[in-house]
Amino acid sequence: DAGVTQSPTHLIKTRGQHVTLRCSPISGHKSVSWYQQVLGQGPQFIFQYYEKEERGRGNFPDRFSARQFPNYSSELNVNALLLGDSALYLCASSADPDKAAFFGQGTRLTVV
Amino acid sequence: GEDVEQSLFLSVREGDSSVINCTYTDSSSTYLYWYKQEPGAGLQLLTYIFSNMDMKQDQRLTVLLNKKDKHLSLRIADTQTGDSAIYFCAETYTGGFKTIFGAGTRLFVKA
Repeated sequence: DAGVTQSPTHLIKTRGQHVTLRCSPISGHKSVSWYQQVLGQGPQFIFQYYEKEERGRGNFPDRFSARQFPNYSSELNVNALLLGDSALYLCASSADPDKAAFFGQGTRLTVV
Repeated sequence: GEDVEQSLFLSVREGDSSVINCTYTDSSSTYLYWYKQEPGAGLQLLTYIFSNMDMKQDQRLTVLLNKKDKHLSLRIADTQTGDSAIYFCAETYTGGFKTIFGAGTRLFVKA
């Protein structure tokens, strides 16, 4: 069984640009969450989606948005990139929000 | 407030036991997790414990939960050099809509 897959694995963007990160959950999982991990810190919660609806949002600006598709895959969008958005972006899926979450390998975003 | 705290570093000798500690604040949390992260990699779920349990054992891993003190620990028996990594403690709030992570404990295993 494939685990959580994220694409791309690495990305370099310029300040002010927009980026879209993608996540495919484990087959059968309906809940997807997004986290930002800055170097040297623990992951910070950004969004959770379940059954295509947003169930939770962390303390991130409106430049961050996400959606979940009918096949339960998800996209994280970040507009007007700042240098401080450079981080590892992690996606996690679970069968439902009350079950253990499994993480993908992440997308490393560098903003220059 | 929401906070999960861990010590930043732990150094042990190969073959010894490692104990990584964590304190959390939300008494209504449902699941408590331990994740492992190796350099440049994502998070690997090691084990988790439901909040109505006191202990869980899985091969070399033992998780102890003290709900009264809001303290969680992970014991790794017979620690190996391959166990060197960052270990994150995390809690999921009731309703499961978000998981809060600690800053991670970096485990060094000396041969």
